[in-house]
Amino acid sequence: NAGVTQTPKFQVLKTGQSMTLQCAQDMNHNSMYWYRQDPGMGLRLIYYSASEGTTDKGEVPNGYNVSRLNKREFSLRLESAAPSQTSVYFCAHAPGSKTEAFFGQGTRLTVV
Amino acid sequence: QKEVEQDPGPLSVPEGAIVSLNCTYSNSAFQYFMWYRQYSRKGPELLMYTYSSGNKEDGRFTAQVDKSSKYISLFIRDSQPSDSATYLCAMTGSSNTGKLIFGQGTTLQVKP
Repeated sequence: NAGVTQTPKFQVLKTGQSMTLQCAQDMNHNSMYWYRQDPGMGLRLIYYSASEGTTDKGEVPNGYNVSRLNKREFSLRLESAAPSQTSVYFCAHAPGSKTEAFFGQGTRLTVV
Repeated sequence: QKEVEQDPGPLSVPEGAIVSLNCTYSNSAFQYFMWYRQYSRKGPELLMYTYSSGNKEDGRFTAQVDKSSKYISLFIRDSQPSDSATYLCAMTGSSNTGKLIFGQGTTLQVKP
């Protein structure tokens, strides 16, 4: 699992509901990332955290918030889910700069 | 126009064929280039990581980067049915190499 655990694996939400996607890595890496993958769009960066205590916006941050709870955990929150947020969400981590990123297995989210 | 363009395919080849997968990009600042393999309903798995121009070989896989043409390639020799997957190119100009711009992905099917 590339040293990263995502929960839940599947989720169906109604429009307007909130939820938090959890990500935990066990490799003591500094950097963590949230991506979404949509058909025909590749993966797009939502938010990232270069180190514990810091977070920054990526390409598509609107409608999301994140928390870097500690070095291991990086959560993604949808405050009011919309159908446009139906996607597969991937958490990734990397040791530091100039190093490759390792991806989790994904959370499949459907908003109806 | 997308920063990274990748033909989505699908690409179907017979077992044992040489496969060529390609991406073009528009941002001359990109200097870290990666290829990920993604099996159906799984997370992306890093195959190759290249810095700047040149070739890199790992077993049956060879990655090439031509920065002057803004063009990268992945070659798979002696392709196997187990190579059937979606191949994603990804790149960044940042030393924070988890902040990636992805291509759409090319779906490859290797027929026995």
